Amino acid sequence: EMEVAESGGGLIQPGGSLRLSCVASGFTVGSSYMSWVRQAPGKGLEWVSIIYNNYNTYYADSVKGRFAISKDISQNTVWLQMNSLRAEDTAVYYCARNRGYDSSGDYYGTDVWGQGTTVTVSS
Amino acid sequence: DTQVTQSPSTLSASIGDTVTITCRASQNINRWLAWYQQKPGKAPKLLIYKASALETGVPSRFSGSGSGTEFILTISSLQPDDSAVYYCQLFNNNLYTFGQGTKLEIK
Repeated sequence: EMEVAESGGGLIQPGGSLRLSCVASGFTVGSSYMSWVRQAPGKGLEWVSIIYNNYNTYYADSVKGRFAISKDISQNTVWLQMNSLRAEDTAVYYCARNRGYDSSGDYYGTDVWGQGTTVTVSS
Repeated sequence: DTQVTQSPSTLSASIGDTVTITCRASQNINRWLAWYQQKPGKAPKLLIYKASALETGVPSRFSGSGSGTEFILTISSLQPDDSAVYYCQLFNNNLYTFGQGTKLEIK
């Protein structure tokens, strides 16, 4: 069975840093596209970042320059390094497997989600 | 960046009804669109991918249509368990944008 499990959330002061971890099982992060998606309290889903199988990375404008996504295929783990945290970064952060897209115009969706880890940015 | 507009924001319907949710993209995104269901305190669940393909295990009461800039999620024969928030997600230029969400209430 394919699963991901996030960890690393917590309470952090504005301006601080935090690193979230996502351990995958049942599939390899090396051959997958891996995303982070967040959800602020009472709000909708917000896509944050993705790392492709070729290590290319992309970010939402709201986190570009502050967050960094990376992976270690030997540990089958993906990380989200979050720096210069702001109150508006407070959210549940989900790690998820993205099945990607193709050039013929099809997107295959995000099918494996963790239960999320909560990040609270507050003084 | 491609913008997405999802409507309505809330929807109330009765058991057995058919409802539709719409997502509009600001530019042509082919079939780069997926639909998700999220229940309180839970992670989203993939329902539809490439605009109209039903994810394995999802009831056939759920269907997706559209391409280009307008997409529709249709839920027929509504069941109590369909009470949830539904999101579309589009892909373009390596960005994966979610719609604003539609809260479906079963009367």
